[in-house]
Amino acid sequence: DVKVTQSSRYLVKRTGEKVFLECVQDMDHENMFWYRQDPGLGLRLIYFSYDVKMKEKGDIPEGYSVSREKKERFSLILESASTNQTSMYLCASSLGDRDLAEQYFGPGTRLTVT
Amino acid sequence: GQNIDQPTEMTATEGAIVQINCTYQTSGFNGLFWYQQHAGEAPTFLSYNVLDGLEEKGRFSSFLSRSKGYSYLLLKELQMKDSASYLCAVSDSNYQLIWGAGTKLIIKP
Repeated sequence: DVKVTQSSRYLVKRTGEKVFLECVQDMDHENMFWYRQDPGLGLRLIYFSYDVKMKEKGDIPEGYSVSREKKERFSLILESASTNQTSMYLCASSLGDRDLAEQYFGPGTRLTVT
Repeated sequence: GQNIDQPTEMTATEGAIVQINCTYQTSGFNGLFWYQQHAGEAPTFLSYNVLDGLEEKGRFSSFLSRSKGYSYLLLKELQMKDSASYLCAVSDSNYQLIWGAGTKLIIKP
């Protein structure tokens, strides 16, 4: 069964802290994604990766960075957390050719920055 | 700019049929996805359309008209467990998914 896991369901951090969100998939998928989901807005793509050590900016990369050292793991880093980064963060993965592939999502991490 | 529009909220009765519409304006088109998301959970894949017409999958069907930039998700024989948000997403010319804000579907007994 397809599985994407995220390190935390809920996280509370202070402004200025460095935050690490971890995502692991066990499906041997090439592609991995990080989104944020806010009320009234669609999912917004932060970063994605089509291969190990590769990363590409999505629509809203400012204030974030990513790391993909192993195929199964994709980390999102908030260099210096700010209150406007309070959101639900969703990780997803998909197989092979980047087109036409459905994405499998993790359960999400609800991050609150105070 | 790129835009996906879908109603914010809809209400329907258990056992009935409901149609959730999605209109889109994107730079290129490489397919349209529908996902279901229960409150507090991850989105899960429902359907994919790349050619015009209707795709049926059990109680759920999805329709696409590329010339009109329009899709709908049809849910039949509604059950209480169908209460969820339904997300429409379009794969654009760069194969990136552009997401709508989602339609919250409320099912009443």
